[in-house]
Amino acid sequence: SQKIEQNSEALNIQEGKTATLTCNYTNYSPAYLQWYRQDPGRGPVFLLLIRENEKEKRKERLKVTFDTTLKQSLFHITASQPADSATYLCALVGDSSYKLIFGSGTRLLVRP
Amino acid sequence: ETGVTQTPRHLVMGMTNKKSLKCEQHLGHNAMYWYKQSAKKPLELMFVYNFKEQTENNSVPSRFSPECPNSSHLFLHLHTLQPEDSALYLCASSQDREEAFFGQGTRLTVV
Repeated sequence: SQKIEQNSEALNIQEGKTATLTCNYTNYSPAYLQWYRQDPGRGPVFLLLIRENEKEKRKERLKVTFDTTLKQSLFHITASQPADSATYLCALVGDSSYKLIFGSGTRLLVRP
Repeated sequence: ETGVTQTPRHLVMGMTNKKSLKCEQHLGHNAMYWYKQSAKKPLELMFVYNFKEQTENNSVPSRFSPECPNSSHLFLHLHTLQPEDSALYLCASSQDREEAFFGQGTRLTVV
C-alpha cells in the first residue's frame, strides 16, 4: 500500500542552525511533492512544491530536494528561528489524480 | 486569511443529531477537499471534488455525506456520528494539483 513516512520524533535544534526534515514514500509515483507548515489547532499552510522532474527548489530560507530514485524528499530551513517552530508536513499527489495525501508530519522546535 | 472559509469553527453534537459543515472558497479553484485530523494522527483524506464532481471517496462511512453544489461551496453533512468521529475537519481547495489552501477547520466534538 502507499505510504508516506516522516520522522515522528520532534527535531530540536538551536536557533541559527539548519533544520533538515525527511520525507520517504513507498508504492507511489508522485507527480508533485509539497511541503506544508501546521501550527496547533490551525490548517496547514503551503510552503513549497517540487515536481517529479525537478531536483531542487528554493524559497528564501527554505530548500526542498526531490530524489525519485530514493523516493525521498529533504526539506531544509537555514538560519532557523524560534518562529519556525511548528509541525511540517510532506504531501504527495499523483499525475492522474487529485488525491493529495499527507505524511504524519515532523515537529520542529527551535531553541533561542 | 487563506481565502477558504469554514463554518462553524466549533461544533458539539449528540450522536443522534444531524449537522452540516460548510466550506467556501473564492479563489476560483477547481478542486475542493475534506480532510479529518484526529489527535496524534496524520491528515486523512475523506473526499475530493473536481469541478463539482466527486473524484475520490476514501472509504468514508456513510454517516458522512459530502455535497458540492458549485465549485465554490462544499458541505459535509453529518448524521448519527460516533464519539470517535470527534476531530478537526479541514477543508481545502486547489487549482488542479497545485498548492492547496486550507481553511481554519471545524473542531467537532461528538457527545
